[in-house]
Amino acid sequence: GDSVTQMEGPVTLSEEAFLTINCTYTATGYPSLFWYVQYPGEGLQLLLKATKADDKGSNKGFEATYRKETTSFHLEKGSVQVSDSAVYFCALRGGSGNTGKLIFGQGTTLQVKP
Amino acid sequence: DAGVIQSPRHEVTEMGQEVTLRCKPISGHDYLFWYRQTMMRGLELLIYFNNNVPIDDSGMPEDRFSAKMPNASFSTLKIQPSEPRDSAVYFCASSLYRGETQYFGPGTRLLVL
Repeated sequence: GDSVTQMEGPVTLSEEAFLTINCTYTATGYPSLFWYVQYPGEGLQLLLKATKADDKGSNKGFEATYRKETTSFHLEKGSVQVSDSAVYFCALRGGSGNTGKLIFGQGTTLQVKP
Repeated sequence: DAGVIQSPRHEVTEMGQEVTLRCKPISGHDYLFWYRQTMMRGLELLIYFNNNVPIDDSGMPEDRFSAKMPNASFSTLKIQPSEPRDSAVYFCASSLYRGETQYFGPGTRLLVL
């Protein structure tokens, strides 16, 4: 079945450092890909998404490009801030059948130190 | 818009007790999802509804869990009887269409002693 694999955390960075969180997926068909962010004590929020190959999603300085050839959707940010500290989830939807069901990775905790 | 509303935010109960979690989706959204989040298993989809009808309940762990959606603005997830291994954060999410963004509620943190 469809699945998502993220790099294990926690990831600890200093403020203004470059961030990459790796995400790869396995799916049949043509899934849509997402990054969600969860701040402490809150629910998940959509950060960005891409619906077809070579699309780039971007929001709040974060970017991710849908790479079908490498089945990847890595999250990047050029300069992280303390306020970016959160758990980041990669997810896919609709590899086959497009049921609306989201498949999540295990989440990667990011801690940014001042 | 108030977003997805869940209640209670925190619940502490004893093993064997019945627990009912509640969710109010965003008005006009046709899809409603229940998720469970634990350290061991991450984020799991339990069940989802479309137009108040359960579509996929394959993620419901066992018969102790049940979910209903009596109308478009309310859903419940019930655990009876509860067990310590049910301790988790339970999220409700809704979306406008099948392929649209899911909006998550703040979650209910359940602790079963």
